[in-house]
Amino acid sequence: DTAVSQTPKYLVTQMGNDKSIKCEQNLGHDTMYWYKQDSKKFLKIMFSYNNKELIINETVPNRFSPKSPDKAHLNLHINSLELGDSAVYFCASSYKENQPQHFGDGTRLSIL
Amino acid sequence: SQQGEEDPQALSIQEGENATMNCSYKTSINNLQWYRQNSGRGLVHLILIRSNEREKHSGRLRVTLDTSKKSSSLLITASRAADTASYFCATAKIKAAGNKLTFGGGTRVLVKP
Repeated sequence: DTAVSQTPKYLVTQMGNDKSIKCEQNLGHDTMYWYKQDSKKFLKIMFSYNNKELIINETVPNRFSPKSPDKAHLNLHINSLELGDSAVYFCASSYKENQPQHFGDGTRLSIL
Repeated sequence: SQQGEEDPQALSIQEGENATMNCSYKTSINNLQWYRQNSGRGLVHLILIRSNEREKHSGRLRVTLDTSKKSSSLLITASRAADTASYFCATAKIKAAGNKLTFGGGTRVLVKP
C-alpha cells in the first residue's frame, strides 16, 4: 500500500494553463507538505499544513494555492502556469513537525 | 546559502568501499535528518539524530553530529550498487511555530559494481 500518493505522476501543459496536483496519505499523519525540486535537485518547501491548517507559506507566488479538505489530503492548484514552474513537486507527510517525513514519488511538471 | 550544505556534491566509489559525505549548517537545530533519493523517486528517510546526540547507527549507516562545528557526516559502509542515489541532509530548527525541514543540495553517490 502506497503511504503517500500523488497524482498525476507527469503533467505536460502549456504556459498560461491552470492545473492541479492531488496528494493523499494513509499514515494517519497530522502534517503535510508541498516541496518543489528544481533541475539541480534543490528541494524547497512551499507549504505546510497541520491538521488542515496552513502553518508555513514560504513566499510562494499566489498563483499557487494549496487546499486541505481533510488531514489526509493536501492538493495544490496552480494558476497561469509559467515556464519557471517546470520542476518536480513532492508531497510529504509527517506525524508531527520536525519528525521524519514520508514523500510521494513526485509530479513532474513540464511547461511548454 | 542553504541551511544544510552537503560535501562533496558527487562521489564515485567501487562496491565494497565506504562512502562518507558531510553536511554543514548555520543555525541552531532541533535535529538533523538524512534522506536518500533514488532516481525518479521521492525521498526516503534514513536516520534522525537529535541535537543532544553525537552518533547514531542504523545497519550499514553511521551518522555523527558535531553541534560545535555545526556539521554532520553520513558514512555508508561496505557499499552496494543499490546504494547509488542522492543523499540529502535536512535540518529541523527550533521555532515557536511553523517548524520546517531545510534541505541541502545533496550528494550524488555512484557505486560501481
